Amino acid sequence: QVQLQESGPGLVKPSETLSLTCTVSGGSISTYYWTWFRQPPGKGLEWIGYINFRGTTNYNTSLRGRVTMSVDTSKNQFSLKLTSVTAADTAVYYCARVASSTTFHFDYWGQGTLVPVSS
Amino acid sequence: QSVLTQPPSASGTPGQRVTISCSGSNSNIGGKTVSWYQQVPGTAPKLLIYSNSLRPSGVPDRFSGSKSGTSASLAISGLQPEDEADYHCAAWDDSLKGVVFGGGTQLTVL
Repeated sequence: QVQLQESGPGLVKPSETLSLTCTVSGGSISTYYWTWFRQPPGKGLEWIGYINFRGTTNYNTSLRGRVTMSVDTSKNQFSLKLTSVTAADTAVYYCARVASSTTFHFDYWGQGTLVPVSS
Repeated sequence: QSVLTQPPSASGTPGQRVTISCSGSNSNIGGKTVSWYQQVPGTAPKLLIYSNSLRPSGVPDRFSGSKSGTSASLAISGLQPEDEADYHCAAWDDSLKGVVFGGGTQLTVL
């Protein structure tokens, strides 16, 4: 059974960089695409971007320029960095596996981690 | 403002059949497949339907999906109290070159 677990600081200050890591267990990070989402309190889901095991990325155009994703196959982890954060970036952040790069649906999700942006 | 449009709320009584709609455009639903996710408040979304109408292993057949043109629907038959959750539709968008979601529909089982 594949499991994903987000980790990172619980609080980020405005203008700083949000950094999260997703650790994959129960399966290899190779072969699949991996993705990040976020969900502001009381709102819907927003796709942030994806990365594959080769490091190929695609980011949401609304966040492009602030987002960077990376992968570490030796640790079975992939990471997210979001720069110059504001209160609008306060959200629960989820990592997930892309089950198919043709249909882009997501079969395994992390439990999510709330990242408040506040001074 | 979400790219895909869902009703903010839906409701039904136990045993009833409920349908949730998801409306898009030719750049997303019209040319791509739709997936649906169930999210109990405070928990992560769970894949319910993919490729418009396919159910992952373990999802009851009470849940079904369909697509016609630029719209998709999720139907839940034999509604049960544990179906009370938020439901999200998603699809790839060729114009935005990314995944887009509906705003989510909060389902209440009366």
